[in-house]
Amino acid sequence: DQQVKQNSPSLSVQEGRISILNCDYTNSMFDYFLWYKKYPAEGPTFLISISSIKDKNEDGRFTVFLNKSAKHLSLHIVPSQPGDSAVYFCAASSSGNTPLVFGKGTRLSVIA
Amino acid sequence: SQTIHQWPATLVQPVGSPLSLECTVEGTSNPNLYWYRQAAGRGLQLLFYSVGIGQISSEVPQNLSASRPQDRQFILSSKKLLLSDSGFYLCAWSWTDYEQYFGPGTRLTVT
Repeated sequence: DQQVKQNSPSLSVQEGRISILNCDYTNSMFDYFLWYKKYPAEGPTFLISISSIKDKNEDGRFTVFLNKSAKHLSLHIVPSQPGDSAVYFCAASSSGNTPLVFGKGTRLSVIA
Repeated sequence: SQTIHQWPATLVQPVGSPLSLECTVEGTSNPNLYWYRQAAGRGLQLLFYSVGIGQISSEVPQNLSASRPQDRQFILSSKKLLLSDSGFYLCAWSWTDYEQYFGPGTRLTVT
C-alpha cells in the first residue's frame, strides 16, 4: 500500500514558467513533509520541507504548499530553469520516529 | 560538516556472487543510517535502517542483509546475488527521521 503517491511520473515545462509537482498521502499521522531532488547517478539532495502546522513554506524559487484536509502537497518552482531538470521525490514522516516514506518520484524536464 | 561516503561507485557482479557495499559517515556521531535501493521506475525503496551499533531493522524481505559494526559504518551484504538485485543503492544518514542526507550511491549490475 503506497502511503505517499506521486501520480505524475513526468512533467515538461518551458524555461521561465512555473513547475508544479504534486504529492498525495494517505497516512494522517504524517506530520512532516519533504522534497528531494535527484540527478542521474547521484544521491538525492534535500530541497525543502514543511511541518504540518504550516500550510506554506518558501525558499527562494521553491515553495511547498500543504493541504492537510486533502492530504495533498505540492512543490512550486518559479521561474523554472534548465538546471531544475531532475527527478523530484516527495517524502513524509510521522513525528520523526519512523523512517521517511518516499513517493516514486516525478521527472521534471525544463525546456529552454 | 558532515560527509557520507559510499564505495564502490559502480559494480558489475555475476549472479550467485557475494556482495559487500560500504557506507561511512564523517563529522557526526550516533546517526541513524539507512540503505535504499532505486530500481527503474520504482522510486526509493527502504531496505534497512539502523538507530545504533548492532541495531538493524529490515523493511523488505530479500536476500540482502545489513550490519553496523561501528557507529558510523553501515554495510550492505549478500551471500548470493540475484539478477533482481541490480539497481542503484543509496546510503543515507540523519539525526532524526526528518531530513536525511544521502551518499553518492553505488550502481550495481548483476549479470
